[in-house]
Amino acid sequence: DTGVSQNPRHKITKRGQNVTFRCDPISEHNRLYWYRQTLGQGPEFLTYFQNEAQLEKSRLLSDRFSAERPKGSFSTLEIQRTEQGDSAMYLCASSWGELGNTDTQYFGPGTRLTVL
Amino acid sequence: AQSVAQPEDQVNVAEGNPLTVKCTYSVSGNPYLFWYVQYPNRGLQFLLKYITGDNLVKGSYGFEAEFNKSQTSFHLKKPSALVSDSALYFCAVRDGDSSYKLIFGSGTRLLVRP
Repeated sequence: DTGVSQNPRHKITKRGQNVTFRCDPISEHNRLYWYRQTLGQGPEFLTYFQNEAQLEKSRLLSDRFSAERPKGSFSTLEIQRTEQGDSAMYLCASSWGELGNTDTQYFGPGTRLTVL
Repeated sequence: AQSVAQPEDQVNVAEGNPLTVKCTYSVSGNPYLFWYVQYPNRGLQFLLKYITGDNLVKGSYGFEAEFNKSQTSFHLKKPSALVSDSALYFCAVRDGDSSYKLIFGSGTRLLVRP
C-alpha cells in the first residue's frame, strides 16, 4: 500500500493556460475525491467518483474544470483558461466504500497550483 | 445543510499537558464525524472517526475524541501533548446520508511548546 499519489506536486502557470493534474488512488479503492484548499481554509469538495462514474460535483466546479476517471483507477483534473483565483492546493483522496457504510478517505500530498 | 465549526484558530499547550481541540457540528440526520491532521506542505492524515456506538473514539498517535450529542460537539483530545503534535487539525462531517463528501471546518493550529 503506497498511499495516494499526486503529480505534479507543484505547478506554476500563466493566466489563461490549461493545466492537468493526476491522482493515483490506493490500489483497489473504488471511490476517488477531489478537494481544493486555499491558504488558511479547510478543504472544499469539488467532485467524487465511484469507479469510473462521476456521481457528484460541487457548484464550485465551474465549466472550466473537468475531471475524469476513465478506467476506474487514476483520475485527472483539468483546469482550462486558468485564473489567479484558481491558485490553491488541489487534494485527491480515495476510499473503499460499500453501499450504506461511511468509508474513510485517505488523502494524497496535494498539487499546489500557482497562477501568475 | 451539514456544517462543523472550530471556534479556536490556535491552541497553545505545553509539552506533557493534556490538549483539547474543539469542534461543534450541525447535522440533519445521523452525524458522521472525522478528525484529520495536516503537517506543512502535506496532505491530510486521518486520525479517527465517529459513526455510531461508543461516545469515546480512539484513534492514531494517542488521540481520542468525545462525541457529545446533547452539546453537538466532537472534541479532539490527547492526555499528554508532544512537540511533534504541532500541526493544523481539521474536523469534518459527512454531508448527509446520501452523500459521501466531507465538509471541513476552518482548522485549528495546535502549537505545543517544549
